[in-house]
Amino acid sequence: AQSVSQHNHHVILSEAASLELGCNYSYGGTVNLFWYVQYPGQHLQLLLKYFSGDPLVKGIKGFEAEFIKSKFSFNLRKPSVQWSDTAEYFCAVPSTGTASKLTFGTGTRLQVTL
Amino acid sequence: EPEVTQTPSHQVTQMGQEVILRCVPISNHLYFYWYRQILGQKVEFLVSFYNNEISEKSEIFDDQFSVERPDGSNFTLKIRSTKLEDSAMYFCASSVARGYEQYFGPGTRLTVT
Repeated sequence: AQSVSQHNHHVILSEAASLELGCNYSYGGTVNLFWYVQYPGQHLQLLLKYFSGDPLVKGIKGFEAEFIKSKFSFNLRKPSVQWSDTAEYFCAVPSTGTASKLTFGTGTRLQVTL
Repeated sequence: EPEVTQTPSHQVTQMGQEVILRCVPISNHLYFYWYRQILGQKVEFLVSFYNNEISEKSEIFDDQFSVERPDGSNFTLKIRSTKLEDSAMYFCASSVARGYEQYFGPGTRLTVT
């Protein structure tokens, strides 16, 4: 079964600091990858996605992620975080099953201080 | 922009009661899902639904749970006899195709007392 690991559980950054959140997945074949964000009190929103092609994908709000197949990684980055980026971030991978359920990582809580 | 909607936003029920959580997926989507998130824990898959039948379910989705798409627009999750441990946020999601991104609704917070 597919599994996803997020090693940073709680990250605290000052505004304008750079961000990198780690995500590793277990499946070695062709894989789609997603990052979702959950702002306080809100639902999951798609931040960015990778299907194929350029391994560096850009998402909304200045986020990007790099797919490194050899490392089974899909790390999320942002050069300069803002207070409004305070949220929980989830990496997710669809299964290879019939309907491709999403397997989520445990999430990383990002707190950005002023 | 189309979005997934869910009702109610918050449901409080007593242990042993039946609850029905409702979702309206995005209209041209074909795959439908229910997930839940217990407070402080990660999002867990419950069930997927395609072509008017369950395509996959997790071990959490036991005989107390059922899903239905009664009228071509709504997608419901029923819990027949709720338990305290069913208290969680329940998210509905839909996807246009298998393996594509899933769009999530705002969730229903279920509190079982």
